Amino acid sequence: GEQVEQLPSILRVQEGSSASINCSYEDSASNYFPWYKQEPGENPKLIIDIRSNMERKQIQELIVLLDKKAKRFSLHITDTQPGDSAMYFCAARANTGYQNFYFGKGTSLTVIP
Amino acid sequence: EAGVTQSPRYAVLQEGQAVSFWCDPISGHDTLYWYQQPRDQGPQLLVYFRDEAVIDNSQLPSDRFSAVRPKGTNSTLKIQSAKQGDTATYLCASSRQINQDTQYFGPGTRLLVL
Repeated sequence: GEQVEQLPSILRVQEGSSASINCSYEDSASNYFPWYKQEPGENPKLIIDIRSNMERKQIQELIVLLDKKAKRFSLHITDTQPGDSAMYFCAARANTGYQNFYFGKGTSLTVIP
Repeated sequence: EAGVTQSPRYAVLQEGQAVSFWCDPISGHDTLYWYQQPRDQGPQLLVYFRDEAVIDNSQLPSDRFSAVRPKGTNSTLKIQSAKQGDTATYLCASSRQINQDTQYFGPGTRLLVL
């Protein structure tokens, strides 16, 4: 099945700076890439996603970039706030075969006030 | 609309005991997923259903785990003889077939096997 690598596993940034999380995938059939935020004791919540027909998507302070040729996608959080501190997971899904979601191992983001 | 609900929220077992987890998906969602999320890791798919049919259970340890969704609505995931390595959060998620991309997670069941 698909393999999704996510880096870094731990990220600490100062409030107001940007945070970047990078993911890579192997299956060229993957065409949907969601990002989830998970706070302690809570379920993962979808925060932004991108499909393979796009290279960039922005929702407020969240920016996702997709490089299909390199099979990489990334999440950038601009002007980070303490409330952005959480686990972040990337995922990839193909539109062929079982069409499963494959998740990265997660990034623990801490925004330091 | 009401979200995905799961019960129980927590379970503590001794090795060898059995446990069942229950999931009620969002109304109208015909696709239901069960994930295992070990501590500090991403969710890993165990099994998923479209209506009552199993679509993929290749990652489900079939010797001890089973999952059913008999009426295509609620689902139960059962562990027959729990092992310490089963300690994890078990997440249920659902989505609409016409919009398979967006899946919504329930609160999860946190299992500790002693």
